[in-house]
Amino acid sequence: QVQLQESGPGLVKPSETLSLTCTVSGGSMNFYYWTWIRQPAGKGLEWIGRIDSSGNTNYNPSLKSRVIMSLDTSKRQISLRLSSVTAADTAVYYCARNSGYDPASWYAPWGQGALVTVSS
Amino acid sequence: DIVMTQSPDSLAVSLGERATINCKSSQSILYTSNNKNYLAWYQQKPGQPPKVLIYGASTRESGVPDRFSGSGSGTDFTLTISSLQAEDVSVYYCQQYYTTPVTFGGGTKVEIK
Repeated sequence: QVQLQESGPGLVKPSETLSLTCTVSGGSMNFYYWTWIRQPAGKGLEWIGRIDSSGNTNYNPSLKSRVIMSLDTSKRQISLRLSSVTAADTAVYYCARNSGYDPASWYAPWGQGALVTVSS
Repeated sequence: DIVMTQSPDSLAVSLGERATINCKSSQSILYTSNNKNYLAWYQQKPGQPPKVLIYGASTRESGVPDRFSGSGSGTDFTLTISSLQAEDVSVYYCQQYYTTPVTFGGGTKVEIK
């Protein structure tokens, strides 16, 4: 059974870079798409982008200039970097796997989420 | 971007009664080549990640109680809880995966009346 776990600093200063890692346990990373989604407290879900097992990425245009995703299959990790953060980037950040090999699919499973607060 | 609009924002339903949540997409999310709607419904409880209930607009995920059902096609979709249970108190989201950026509805909070 595949499980995902996000990790990283819970506090980031404005203008700095947010860095999170999603560690995958169980199952194969090959052929799947791995997605980052965020959720500000009390608000809805925002798709940040995805990366496939070959390292090809697709980002939300609203964040594209600030986002970099990467993966390391040997470490079973997917990484997210978001630069020049502001308070508006404060959110719970989730990693999720596409349910199947098709990029056009729903998300299951999800990680438990990592709260990142942007504040000086 | 495809805008997903959910209604209502919240609803209160008596235990055992029906709850209905609507979701409308700003353009069709029916892929005509395979006649599939690229829509999923999720349930989110406080402090937890979303959990998929329905995909393809009407297919129940394995393990999801059959009181949850999805319907609709094209641009208009509905999630129905046929007989509300206490454990169904949650926020429900629709999501389109027809195209990127993937987008979600604003959520509907379901409470007990």
